Amino acid sequence: EIVMTQSPATLSVSPGERVTLSCRASQSVSSNLAWYQQKPGQAPRLLIYGASTRATGIPARFSGSGSGTEFTLTISSLQSEDFAVYYCQQYNNWPRTFGQGTKVEIK
Amino acid sequence: DVQVLESGGGLVQSGGSLRLSCAASGFTFSGYAMSWVRQAPGKGLEWVSAISGSGGSTFYADSVKGRFTISRDNSKNTLSLQMNSLSAEDTAVYYCAKGFTYFDPWGQGTLVTVSS
Repeated sequence: EIVMTQSPATLSVSPGERVTLSCRASQSVSSNLAWYQQKPGQAPRLLIYGASTRATGIPARFSGSGSGTEFTLTISSLQSEDFAVYYCQQYNNWPRTFGQGTKVEIK
Repeated sequence: DVQVLESGGGLVQSGGSLRLSCAASGFTFSGYAMSWVRQAPGKGLEWVSAISGSGGSTFYADSVKGRFTISRDNSKNTLSLQMNSLSAEDTAVYYCAKGFTYFDPWGQGTLVTVSS
C-alpha cells in the first residue's frame, strides 16, 4: 500500500498570506494525485486532480504541482473561507490512499 | 446538477449488519465507477470500496474485505454497501462518491455507529 504523508499537520496563517502544503508518497504515483478540502461538518470537496488540474469551479488561487513522490498545494492568498483541512490522495495504485490531512487555521 | 445522496446509516450492535444506499442523479450513472469512503470521528479519510460502471469489477480495502460487499443497480441509479460482521472500528461517516480514481462529487455522508 502506498503511504501518503502530509506536512505540516497544522498550519497557522493570516488571511492574505501565501500557503504551501506538502504531500509525499512512499513510492511514485506519477501525476495521479488529487487534493481535497474539508470544512467542519461538511463532505470533502475536490480541488485538484492530475496533480495540477483545478476541478470545476475551484478558484485560481488554488494550484497544485509535483509528480512522482513529491507534491504541493499552494493557496496564493488565503481567504477566510479557505480555513479547513486539506487531504491529498493517490489513485495510481489500489488501494486508494489518503494523507492524514493538514489543518489550515487562523493565526 | 450532479448529486449523490447516502442513506441507511444508524446504530448497530457489534457483529451486526447494515446496508447503505446511495442515490445518484444528474449524470449517466452506468457510465461511471462509484466508491465508498469513510471517516471515523475526528479522524482522516479512508477509502473503503469501489465498483466499475458495469458492476463487473469491484475493489475493497483490506480492512473490509470479506465483510463488506459493494453493488449497484444501474436501472435505479443506486449504489449499495452491504456491511456484515461490524465492529467498533467500523464506526464512521460513510460517504458515497462518483469515480474510483479521484472522487467528485461526494454525498453529505451517513453515520454508522457500532456499539459494543
